[in-house]
Amino acid sequence: KQEVTQIPAALSVPEGENLVLNCSFTDSAIYNLQWFRQDPGKGLTSLLLIQSSQREQTSGRLNASLDKSSGRSTLYIAASQPGDSATYLCAVSSGYALNFGKGTSLLVTP
Amino acid sequence: DTAVSQTPKYLVTQMGNDKSIKCEQNLGHDTMYWYKQDSKKFLKIMFSYNNKELIINETVPNRFSPKSPDKAHLNLHINSLELGDSAVYFCASSQEATGYYGYTFGSGTRLTVV
Repeated sequence: KQEVTQIPAALSVPEGENLVLNCSFTDSAIYNLQWFRQDPGKGLTSLLLIQSSQREQTSGRLNASLDKSSGRSTLYIAASQPGDSATYLCAVSSGYALNFGKGTSLLVTP
Repeated sequence: DTAVSQTPKYLVTQMGNDKSIKCEQNLGHDTMYWYKQDSKKFLKIMFSYNNKELIINETVPNRFSPKSPDKAHLNLHINSLELGDSAVYFCASSQEATGYYGYTFGSGTRLTVV
């Protein structure tokens, strides 16, 4: 059974810092890996989708990498802003459903 | 033109009642899902339907019954609601069953059982 782990569980950084969120998964036979953002009391916003044949994806200040063989992904956020404060969820599709990590709660302080 | 829409957004009900949550997607996707986000914010798959056929039924009490009248709709009916059913329920869809092209989520239904 696929298990997804996210480290750290919580992170607080001052505005302007670059930061890395980590995600690991136990079964490398995946179709894709997707990073989501969830604001308090809100739904899930898809940030980046990395398909199994890809190594990374970029969108604005966000860059996500995927290393299937080692079962790892990282989400890099450049020049963090207070508006980036949210919970970031890593999810892996091994077929038929997404398996989620427990998330990293990020706080960016002004 | 919301891609995945759920109704209602909030639902407060008493223990023992029966309630339904509706989900519709206008993306033309073949596969739809119900996820439950518990009080610790962990998201867990409940059901998956592909072209109106059930393909995943995780360990969910049989008080929960999904229904898919067509591939654009997946509803969730819950009988005899219990306090522990309080959670946020998310509907999602994907182009096909492997999810290779990614998943789109609705905005969630916050169910509170009192």
